[in-house]
Amino acid sequence: DQQVKQNSPSLSVQEGRISILNCDYTNSMFDYFLWYKKYPAEGPTFLISISSIKDKNEDGRFTVFLNKSAKHLSLHIVPSQPGDSAVYFCAANYGGSQGNLIFGKGTKLSVKP
Amino acid sequence: DVKVTQSSRYLVKRTGEKVFLECVQDMDHENMFWYRQDPGLGLRLIYFSYDVKMKEKGDIPEGYSVSREKKERFSLILESASTNQTSMYLCASSLYSGFQPQHFGDGTRLSIL
Repeated sequence: DQQVKQNSPSLSVQEGRISILNCDYTNSMFDYFLWYKKYPAEGPTFLISISSIKDKNEDGRFTVFLNKSAKHLSLHIVPSQPGDSAVYFCAANYGGSQGNLIFGKGTKLSVKP
Repeated sequence: DVKVTQSSRYLVKRTGEKVFLECVQDMDHENMFWYRQDPGLGLRLIYFSYDVKMKEKGDIPEGYSVSREKKERFSLILESASTNQTSMYLCASSLYSGFQPQHFGDGTRLSIL
């Protein structure tokens, strides 16, 4: 059973607009959430994270929102740029898991000029 | 910056061969991980290690083994390669605490003919 779900396999956005990528989780023990970006033929790159004591974390154009009651997190990219076109993975873990991450299946973002 | 280096970017082997994939990290991380990535399936954990000579099975360990003789090096072994092991293999490392991102290498695209 998938504990971390990214229900949209793909998303297409116009350059300059907002990209919103969504992620749902089922395990209420999760207390640390991450987003990774992956280009073809490269390894995933860590983008941004949030712990369960916060509901928002911002880093430049990237903001992650966490809604614990809904077991939902989202990544906002504003403004979107063509270089943001990549596969985005949501991941989660809990403090007692020795750093193991549970990954979603990814959402492919295409930002069109 | 954390550097995770995988020995080969592309590898072609034959069915039945014993295959070694090597991974080295330079940040003194306790945890190391091996994943495979397949289209539509996301990242699936094969094995991980949280200390030298320690190993734990992930979600899909069948057909694989691992070796960690030194803290900086984590090897993935395909005992007898099969065509269904054709995939992108990704190595990652992290500090021991659960609240740390994993850092990935660039991956090895392995083809089994």
